[in-house]
Amino acid sequence: EAAVTQSPRNKVTVTGGNVTLSCRQTNSHNYMYWYRQDTGHGLRLIHYSYGAGNLQIGDVPDGYKATRTTQEDFFLLLELASPSQTSLYFCASSLGNERLFFGHGTKLSVL
Amino acid sequence: QQKVQQSPESLTVSEGAMASLNCTFSDGTSNNFRWYRQHSAKGLEVLVSIFSDGEKEEGRFTAHLNRANLHVSLHIREPQPSDSAVYLCAVTGGSNAKLTFGKGTKLSVKS
Repeated sequence: EAAVTQSPRNKVTVTGGNVTLSCRQTNSHNYMYWYRQDTGHGLRLIHYSYGAGNLQIGDVPDGYKATRTTQEDFFLLLELASPSQTSLYFCASSLGNERLFFGHGTKLSVL
Repeated sequence: QQKVQQSPESLTVSEGAMASLNCTFSDGTSNNFRWYRQHSAKGLEVLVSIFSDGEKEEGRFTAHLNRANLHVSLHIREPQPSDSAVYLCAVTGGSNAKLTFGKGTKLSVKS
């Protein structure tokens, strides 16, 4: 079974803080995604990538940066965290247009 | 921009009764449809994928697609309390083959 590992599982920071969420997949997938999930909005795509060094903008990119350092690793960066970024963040990977495999999520609280 | 809407928002059924969930989409060129399940703020798992009109069965889960009516449904046969979760419809379509999620249906199965 495909594996997507996110870290940390929980994170608390203060407004203006610097946060990095990490994601690693061992599926040899080319696509990786960062989503946030909020009540009333469902899953919203922040950034995605189709390979090392590539970055594509999603639907809600403001306030987020991302970097795909290798085929396996995709990072989401919040350089000046705000309370509106309190959310549940999911990383996922896929092979092209195939099904997505999701990590278990990172719960981020910005105080 | 693709709109994906799910109904009902929440559904309660008795154990053993059929559960039916609905999803409508706006882009008639969409060609890739999946139903995912999410247990209590955890990662998502794919249940069934369907790519052409008609039905596709995976165990107790059956998807029905009618692209002319812009509608895809999920039917769960003999639901069990362990099926209590949020069910998300995911549609890929448009010239950029973009994936869009619905906001989900929360299913509760009572024993």
